[in-house]
Amino acid sequence: GAGVSQSPRYKVAKRGQDVALRCDPISGHVSLFWYQQALGQGPEFLTYFQNEAQLDKSGLPSDRFFAERPEGSVSTLKIQRTQQEDSAVYLCASSTTPGQGYEQYFGPGTRLTVT
Amino acid sequence: SQQGEEDPQALSIQEGENATMNCSYKTSINNLQWYRQNSGRGLVHLILIRSNEREKHSGRLRVTLDTSKKSSSLLITASRAADTASYFCATPRSSNFGNEKLTFGTGTRLTIIP
Repeated sequence: GAGVSQSPRYKVAKRGQDVALRCDPISGHVSLFWYQQALGQGPEFLTYFQNEAQLDKSGLPSDRFFAERPEGSVSTLKIQRTQQEDSAVYLCASSTTPGQGYEQYFGPGTRLTVT
Repeated sequence: SQQGEEDPQALSIQEGENATMNCSYKTSINNLQWYRQNSGRGLVHLILIRSNEREKHSGRLRVTLDTSKKSSSLLITASRAADTASYFCATPRSSNFGNEKLTFGTGTRLTIIP
């Protein structure tokens, strides 16, 4: 079956531009996560959705970062007024159910380069 | 912030040899997960071990967990070229919202030499 998909796979933005990154989770997965992975580092948690509710946004680095999942399926991560430090791979993951001890399925990521 | 630390940071071995990488973490956990990341397939879940388990096997993978030392190891036996990738341990942090967010280490970069 289809896994988690993300688009675009690569995005180049000039500093100050707004960008929108899309995630299509596995159908039926309740939980959706966004992570940011800087070069040479492990992924770092940004935010979590349970269905359409954004329950945890403790990892968002600034108020320029905004995420939504209005119908409980597709999610969009938006970054306003991009800065060079926003350059990273943005990973989306989904999981079947909330709770502990469940595997997260990751998408291929969107590589964002801010010039 | 990164909770887990993998060791070594990089490892090169001959095809057919075994590869061992270690992970240390800081806080109490109820499970620990290992993931593999390569350019072809992205980040893929390998195995999950719960805090009441000491060892778990999956194919050529063997994971151990020592909660008293807050450490885990991943052993890959009979390595293949396709095992070349970065390997991350991930520990969950629960929130007040019932979700479990993963905290990843910095990874071990494994290279299998044909």
